[in-house]
Amino acid sequence: DVKVTQSSRYLVKRTGEKVFLECVQDMDHENMFWYRQDPGLGLRLIYFSYDVKMKEKGDIPEGYSVSREKKERFSLILESASTNQTSMYLCASSLWRGVNNSPLHFGNGTRLTVT
Amino acid sequence: KNEVEQSPQNLTAQEGEFITINCSYSVGISALHWLQQHPGGGIVSLFMLSSGKKKHGRLIATINIQEKHSSLHITASHPRDSAVYICAVRENYGQNFVFGPGTRLSVLP
Repeated sequence: DVKVTQSSRYLVKRTGEKVFLECVQDMDHENMFWYRQDPGLGLRLIYFSYDVKMKEKGDIPEGYSVSREKKERFSLILESASTNQTSMYLCASSLWRGVNNSPLHFGNGTRLTVT
Repeated sequence: KNEVEQSPQNLTAQEGEFITINCSYSVGISALHWLQQHPGGGIVSLFMLSSGKKKHGRLIATINIQEKHSSLHITASHPRDSAVYICAVRENYGQNFVFGPGTRLSVLP
């Protein structure tokens, strides 16, 4: 079974802090995604990566950056945390290699509170 | 960009009932994903399909590509089926998914 591991389940940070959210997958997947989930807004894509050092902006990239130095690890960075970034953050991965029916595998999520 | 809609938004059923959740989308897709999220829990993949029908236990998913519509059916529903069910579509020529708003299902004993 694919395992997607997010480093923290709950995180509390202060406004202005730099925050790192880490995600690791163990199945050699090319694609990795960062989403945030808010009540009434569903899942929204922040960034995704389809290969090492490659990244593309999603729907809501403002205030975030990402890093993918190794295939198995995809980091989300909040450069200067703000209260409107309080949310549930979900990492996911999927296989590509031309396979259209490759499902998403999600981590358990990190609930971030910015005070 | 694809618009993904789900109905109903909320659904309450009695244990044992047959349940249907619907998903419709606006633009052609390469695949459709049904996902389940329990309260406080992570999201798990139920089905990924691009045509026809798939069955796993008490769950059945169908898709009609021409009508841009998919349904998720749960037979003999059980309280442990209580969760949010999310439809997501992968557009043609892309690796991203567009998500529906989810359907919150409560199955009462």
